[in-house]
Amino acid sequence: QVQLQESGPGLVTPSQTLSLTCTVSGGSISRGTYYWSWIRQPAGKGLEWIGRIYSSGSTSYNPSLKSRVTMSVDTSKNQFSLNLGSVTAADTAIYYCARENNWNYPGSYYYFMDVWGKGTTVTVSS
Amino acid sequence: DIQMTQSPSSLSASVGGRVTITCRAGETIRSYLNWYQLKPGKAPKLLIYAASSLKSGVPSRFSGSGSGTDFTLTISNLQPEDFATYYCQQSYNTPWTFGQGTKVE
Repeated sequence: QVQLQESGPGLVTPSQTLSLTCTVSGGSISRGTYYWSWIRQPAGKGLEWIGRIYSSGSTSYNPSLKSRVTMSVDTSKNQFSLNLGSVTAADTAIYYCARENNWNYPGSYYYFMDVWGKGTTVTVSS
Repeated sequence: DIQMTQSPSSLSASVGGRVTITCRAGETIRSYLNWYQLKPGKAPKLLIYAASSLKSGVPSRFSGSGSGTDFTLTISNLQPEDFATYYCQQSYNTPWTFGQGTKVE
């Protein structure tokens, strides 16, 4: 059974870079046709999709964050990572990593996030 | 971006009761709609994908319906473990977007 675990600093200084890693256990990150995603939830607010990465390194980012986001994958460690630059208090949130699976119905590919980590809280403050 | 609007934002329900949550997309998303359950401190769970397909292992009291712009999540025979916040999410076009959530209390 695949499990995901986020890790990284819980406190980041404004204007610095937030760096998180998601470790995948119970399965290979490079096996299958999965994307690996990051999602965040500011306190008291809804969910925001940050972006995703394929095991090949191909990425897709939310345009609202694209100028500050970089994602990478390390297949040897079975991990993928998120870097978010120039952070402000607005980036304070619970950050989740998730596996994005797909279902091929003839003529269509349906994407959904079927395995999630428990999330890690990141606070941006001096 | 495709805007997703859920209603209500919160509701009160009783064990054994029936709950209906509505999600409306700002443009047609065909059946590219997923539902998730979130509880504090726990990993979010996928309940429904492709609008009406129940994820394996999810109790059959959860059901989803709809297509185009209007979708519904129904929980029948509400159980104590179902008190949580529910989110819809469109997977028609990136960036994926979520509804604002419905808290079932």
